[in-house]
Amino acid sequence: QKEVEQDPGPLSVPEGAIVSLNCTYSNSAFQYFMWYRQYSRKGPELLMYTYSSGNKEDGRFTAQVDKSSKYISLFIRDSQPSDSATYLCAMNSDSSASKIIFGSGTRLSIRP
Amino acid sequence: DAGVIQSPRHEVTEMGQEVTLRCKPISGHNSLFWYRQTMMRGLELLIYFNNNVPIDDSGMPEDRFSAKMPNASFSTLKIQPSEPRDSAVYFCASRTGGSPLHFGNGTRLTVT
Repeated sequence: QKEVEQDPGPLSVPEGAIVSLNCTYSNSAFQYFMWYRQYSRKGPELLMYTYSSGNKEDGRFTAQVDKSSKYISLFIRDSQPSDSATYLCAMNSDSSASKIIFGSGTRLSIRP
Repeated sequence: DAGVIQSPRHEVTEMGQEVTLRCKPISGHNSLFWYRQTMMRGLELLIYFNNNVPIDDSGMPEDRFSAKMPNASFSTLKIQPSEPRDSAVYFCASRTGGSPLHFGNGTRLTVT
């Protein structure tokens, strides 16, 4: 079993819809959780960075962490075609820990 | 800020040839990471350096892979001899302290 599980998709939704992307993990030591966005033929870029349980909002994006269930989510409101990309979750146990574990990524397509 | 710079962007080579991938981290970042991304295995950490010193190379798949960081502004990943199963996108990333990773745009390697 992988330490971090993420549905690869693809996920296709109409423009304006709310998107929910999720990851589950098995290591209870994970405390720092990240979401990266990767456009085709580009490197991943950091979207959201959260610590421990709770919610964090940034514009149309909300990251949610439920440590009791070992489950994290990224919500995108009012989705736009420019949000079409692959979204990778990532996590580690210590902010300075270099062993950051990535999910396999979910490919998202927003239909105009 | 020029970001992490990788070269070449694309590399096509024949099995058995030596391949050298190059990376220039963001100035001031003291940690450098090499990742490999494939559809099957997602993003895998190969090796990382702190202050130019290799810290963990447990992700390097075989002795055919080697990495060096002769100074704070340059690193190489070498594959010798290359094999078709090495075909992937290779990413370099850098950071300082516990800050999130900044990725380059990758080198797409095809070994025929």
